[in-house]
Amino acid sequence: GENVEQHPSTLSVQEGDSAVIKCTYSDSASNYFPWYKQELGKRPQLIIDIRSNVGEKKDQRIAVTLNKTAKHFSLHITETQPEDSAVYFCAAPFNNNDMRFGAGTRLTVKP
Amino acid sequence: EAQVTQNPRYLITVTGKKLTVTCSQNMNHEYMSWYRQDPGLGLRQIYYSMNVEVTDKGDVPEGYKVSRKEKRNFPLILESPSPNQTSLYFCASSTRDGNEKLFFGSGTQLSVL
Repeated sequence: GENVEQHPSTLSVQEGDSAVIKCTYSDSASNYFPWYKQELGKRPQLIIDIRSNVGEKKDQRIAVTLNKTAKHFSLHITETQPEDSAVYFCAAPFNNNDMRFGAGTRLTVKP
Repeated sequence: EAQVTQNPRYLITVTGKKLTVTCSQNMNHEYMSWYRQDPGLGLRQIYYSMNVEVTDKGDVPEGYKVSRKEKRNFPLILESPSPNQTSLYFCASSTRDGNEKLFFGSGTQLSVL
């Protein structure tokens, strides 16, 4: 079936370091790529998204890059802080409205 | 306050006993959807709805039903729950379709014994 593969499943970094999470998708018609952050016991919340007409988007310490040819996109977090610790999910639409999520990456930022 | 409201937050039931999880949004959103979240599997879409009386299957629709009689409500129905439906369920909505920011409800933890 149509999948979104996400790596790594866990990531531990020192405070102040950068973190990178990568996702690949299979539906070449996908044109919207969001990233959600889920803190422990909370609901997922959108942190950044990108559409296929651009290759990169930044919002303060977070950025997303997209390579449509290779069908992969990545989340970059710079100057990580302990409050960045959470599970991060990428997603891509299948058949336009069936949003498929990656399995998640548990990020731990050590003080 | 703009929000997606799910009820109940926690539910324990037994195999075969029909149940309904309610979802309501007050943002006049066209699109609503249901997901289940299981460890190591991320969020998997069960059903989605583009508008009133329009529903479509997602990735894992087996064993579930939905209805969209009103724009604000999108209940999830388990006619005959089984233990493999034990999961954390999220309802979500967006302005227009699945290619927009999703607003999630607070989740329903369901246990089927």
